[in-house]
This record gives sequence, C-alpha cells and structure tokens, in this order.
Amino acid sequence: DAGITQSPRHKVTETGTPVTLRCHQTENHRYMYWYRQDPGHGLRLIHYSYGVKDTDKGEVSDGYSVSRSKTEDFLLTLESATSSQTSVYFCAINGYPVGNNEQFFGPGTRLTVL
Amino acid sequence: GENVEQHPSTLSVQEGDSAVIKCTYSDSASNYFPWYKQELGKGPQLIIDIRSNVGEKKDQRIAVTLNKTAKHFSLHITETQPEDSAVYFCAASNRDTGFQKLVFGTGTRLLVSP
Repeated sequence: DAGITQSPRHKVTETGTPVTLRCHQTENHRYMYWYRQDPGHGLRLIHYSYGVKDTDKGEVSDGYSVSRSKTEDFLLTLESATSSQTSVYFCAINGYPVGNNEQFFGPGTRLTVL
Repeated sequence: GENVEQHPSTLSVQEGDSAVIKCTYSDSASNYFPWYKQELGKGPQLIIDIRSNVGEKKDQRIAVTLNKTAKHFSLHITETQPEDSAVYFCAASNRDTGFQKLVFGTGTRLLVSP
C-alpha cells in the first residue's frame, strides 16, 4: 500500500469552529489531492497541490483552504465549519512523472459538523 | 468540464455470475479511465485502468472495455465472489495535462450473494 496516512480518522465538531485535517505521505510524491465523498456524488476534488507551496482549486473549493509547506504534508482547513461540510474526506497522491501516473488514496477522515 | 455518469447505482448478483458496470463521459479529450474499488471504511483502491489507445484490458476476472466513439467504458467482473462486494467507481481524466485531475462517477454498490 502507498504510504499515506490521514489524521484524525474521525472528528466531531460544532458549526463555526475551525478544523484542520492532515495528510502525510512517505512516498515523496509531488502531487497531492483532497477529495470529499458524499452519497450520490462520488468523490469530488476540493484542492490539489503540484509541489511545495503550489496549490490550486478543485470543483468544490468554497469554504476550504489548503497548505503544503513540506513535500510530505498536505493540510486541509475548514475556517468555519458548516453542517454541509459533514463528509468523508480522502487524501490522494500521484507520483507523476515517475511511475504510471496512478492516484493512490488514503484511509479517509470522517468529519461530522453538528 | 468533464462529466462522468455511472450505472447502475446498485447491482446484486449471485456468486459465480458476471457483473457489468457502465460509465459514460462527456469530454472527448479524456484519455485515461481508471476503476476503483472501495471496501467499507477504506479508501478507494485502483483495480484496473485503460488508456484511450486501447479498446480492452483484462486482469484475471476483471476486464475493462472502452468505446471512444460512443464515449463509454465498462467494467466486467466474471465469476463473482462474495469478496467482490464493494462500491466501484469509474473515473476519467486527460493525461495530456500531466498529472491526473480525475472526475469520478457516483459509484455502484455491488453485492454478491453466496
């Protein structure tokens, strides 16, 4: 399995509080992604990173920010959590241009916003 | 942008039967089509992929077919086993952009009954 960990794995928080999710990889891959998974929507891209300090928005980026100060860590922040952000969040990595350009996923973080 | 539709949303089969999951995509520039399997409580795992210069690819009991003209691709699982029960996602991307920016279908829950 690709070396990807996510923390925390489960979190319950209240509306209006800030939340940060962490993705850590040991593969030294350049590309990292944050997705959210909701019933009926599959996986939707929130933000992605193509290098240290290089990030860009995905299709559902409103209400989220990201940071990548080191190759191995990609942080997703909800500045003021809302109930609509209750979801399962997955981090993914991609070794492009090395390898077959496959995307590998972490185990996920289940976030509940009350 | 790309839009991927996936059918059916649920599929129940008897052990030993075949299962077929179908996806359509909208962007003719898409040229990479992976399939992921997600077991309960885990992240999606890549099981097979196909590139647009190939019409079919097989890996043991799993095969994927691609029809570029009709913009659809399918996952075929033969001799299904209970351990094939999971949610399956198709996805599409344009690899010419370099790294993957995948667009996912909404998933198919496959249940294989003994």
